[in-house]
Amino acid sequence: GESVGLHLPTLSVQEGDNSIINCAYSNSASDYFIWYKQESGKGPQFIIDIRSNMDKRQGQRVTVLLNKTVKHLSLQIAATQPGDSAVYFCAEANQAGTALIFGKGTTLSVSS
Amino acid sequence: KAGVTQTPRYLIKTRGQQVTLSCSPISGHRSVSWYQQTPGQGLQFLFEYFSETQRNKGNFPGRFSGRQFSNSRSEMNVSTLELGDSALYLCASNPSGQGASEQFFGPGTRLTVL
Repeated sequence: GESVGLHLPTLSVQEGDNSIINCAYSNSASDYFIWYKQESGKGPQFIIDIRSNMDKRQGQRVTVLLNKTVKHLSLQIAATQPGDSAVYFCAEANQAGTALIFGKGTTLSVSS
Repeated sequence: KAGVTQTPRYLIKTRGQQVTLSCSPISGHRSVSWYQQTPGQGLQFLFEYFSETQRNKGNFPGRFSGRQFSNSRSEMNVSTLELGDSALYLCASNPSGQGASEQFFGPGTRLTVL
């Protein structure tokens, strides 16, 4: 079946460090992936997305890497700040391309 | 532009009751999707509406239903509430009309079933 998972439920880093959040997906035919950040009491907020015809995409302080060979997705956050503390979700398009399938989330804690 | 708004933000109901949640998408967005978020199951897709038509539906029982109005505002209804329906219900809209694309989420409605 379709499923998206994350390797670690929690990640703790020091302010200024680089953070890497990993995600494994199961559908090799998925052509769209997206990362969201959810802060306490808020809805998910878009961070960055990537299509399957790309291996890497960069945004402001964030980079998404896609390894289709091992069906792995990662989000790199440079110079992590306390404001980056949140739950991070990866998601992929379902087989029909009609909805997003979300992973369970990784809680990132940044200490100063 | 104003973001996606959802009302009410918090709701407490008892088992057996029904509930209606409301969502106003970002102006110009015609696609509205609903997701249920629980600690155990994470974010799960409920259904998606476009131009007042339900285009896609997730794997939820028929107690969960929705509709969309001509101004793109959407409502979802849950009948005969069960304890397991306690969750954060999130509404999302997108400008492309494609369900599997960047979704703009509202803050959610926190439903507690006692």
